[in-house]
Amino acid sequence: DIQMTQSPSSVSASVGDRVTITCRASQSIRTYLNWYQQKPGKAPGVLIYGASRLQSGVPSRFSGRGSGTDFSLTISSLQPEDFATYFCQQSYSLYTFGQGTNLEI
Amino acid sequence: EMQLVESGGGLLQPGGSLRLSCAASGITFSTYWMNWVRQGPGKGPMWVAHISPDGSSANYADSVKGRFTISRDNAKNTLYLQMNSLRVEDSAVYYCARETYGSGYNFFDPWGQGTLVTVSS
Repeated sequence: DIQMTQSPSSVSASVGDRVTITCRASQSIRTYLNWYQQKPGKAPGVLIYGASRLQSGVPSRFSGRGSGTDFSLTISSLQPEDFATYFCQQSYSLYTFGQGTNLEI
Repeated sequence: EMQLVESGGGLLQPGGSLRLSCAASGITFSTYWMNWVRQGPGKGPMWVAHISPDGSSANYADSVKGRFTISRDNAKNTLYLQMNSLRVEDSAVYYCARETYGSGYNFFDPWGQGTLVTVSS
């Protein structure tokens, strides 16, 4: 099974900051990497698919990059609504999620 | 826009059984792979199972294989998860989610609101 490891598990930031979250796969997953945002009491929602492709309706301040085993999600200028938990997911071989990164003020 | 609504969660003892349902509306349910995903408190999501559009093929996470069965009724636009021999560690919010495709990649969108399963003695 492919394991996904995110870091950091928690990060504190302020409105306007630039934040980067990383995700590492236990083996190459090419660019089969998705990012989700989850707010308390809600289901996750997709932000990025295929490592760098922005889902329709997602603000352009979100961006993703990477291939193989190392990936990152960057929020260029944090907005109040961005404080949430972020998960990566590999879709190369069935599905595995990372353990999450809690982005807090 | 597709909407997914789960139901059937509850509190039960270890060894018990439960069937979850996920009602779909707003799009052609029968053309999509569908998934169950669970999330324990404070944990990342865990993919549980998925099923092909016609119901002929399914895959499961190792931790539920042999105990859980995914199925669907396309005439009723409904996805099911039959859970047997439940364990304390199966306690979680269970979500159904559609497999969506873009540029050759697949991801989960949309998700339902989830239904809570608690297994406790």
